[in-house]
Amino acid sequence: GNSVTQMEGPVTLSEEAFLTINCTYTATGYPSLFWYVQYPGEGLQLLLKATKADDKGSNKGFEATYRKETTSFHLEKGSVQVSDSAVYFCALRAGGSYIPTFGRGTSLIVHP
Amino acid sequence: EAQVTQNPRYLITVTGKKLTVTCSQNMNHEYMSWYRQDPGLGLRQIYYSMNVEVTDKGDVPEGYKVSRKEKRNFPLILESPSPNQTSLYFCASRDSGSQETQYFGPGTRLLVL
Repeated sequence: GNSVTQMEGPVTLSEEAFLTINCTYTATGYPSLFWYVQYPGEGLQLLLKATKADDKGSNKGFEATYRKETTSFHLEKGSVQVSDSAVYFCALRAGGSYIPTFGRGTSLIVHP
Repeated sequence: EAQVTQNPRYLITVTGKKLTVTCSQNMNHEYMSWYRQDPGLGLRQIYYSMNVEVTDKGDVPEGYKVSRKEKRNFPLILESPSPNQTSLYFCASRDSGSQETQYFGPGTRLLVL
C-alpha cells in the first residue's frame, strides 16, 4: 500500500536558520505530492504541491522537489521565522485514488 | 469567502449518546471527506463522498456514518460514540480534478467520556 514517512519532531530552530524536513514515500504509479501546514488551533492548509517527477513546488519561501529516484519530497526553507512555527504534513495521492495518505506530521518550533 | 465550516468546534459527550458533526462548503465542490487526527498517527480518512448520494469508506470508517443529500453538506454521524473516538476531526472538500487542492475546515475537537 501507499505510505508516507516524515522525520520525527519537534524540530527546534532559531530564527533565520535553514530548515529541512525530510519526507519519503512509497506508492504505486505516479502520485501527486503535497505539503500541508497546520497552525495552532487551525485546520490544514496546502503549502505546496508537485504532480510529476522533478517538479518543484514553492510557496512563502518554502520549496520541495519531487525526486522519483529517491522517492522523496523534502521541505526546505532558507531562513525560517517565528511565524513558521506549525505542524507540517507530507502527503500523497496516487493516481486515480480518492484516499490521500498523510505522514504523521512534524512539529516545527522557531525561537526568536 | 471560500470556506469549509464545521460545527460544533468543541464537544464533550458521553459514551453511547448519538451525535452529529456538520460540515458545509461554499465552493460547489463535488468531493468531500472526513478525517480524524490523533497524536503520532497523523490524519486518517474516515469517509469520503465523490458527489451527492455517493459515499465510500476511507481507512478508518468503523463507528461512523455519513450522508450526502446535498452537494454543500456532508455530516459525520456517530451513532454510539465510544472513548476511542475522542479525537480532532477535520472535514475537507475539493473539486473533482485529480490535481485539485483540498480545503480543510477548522476542526472539531471531540471528547467522549
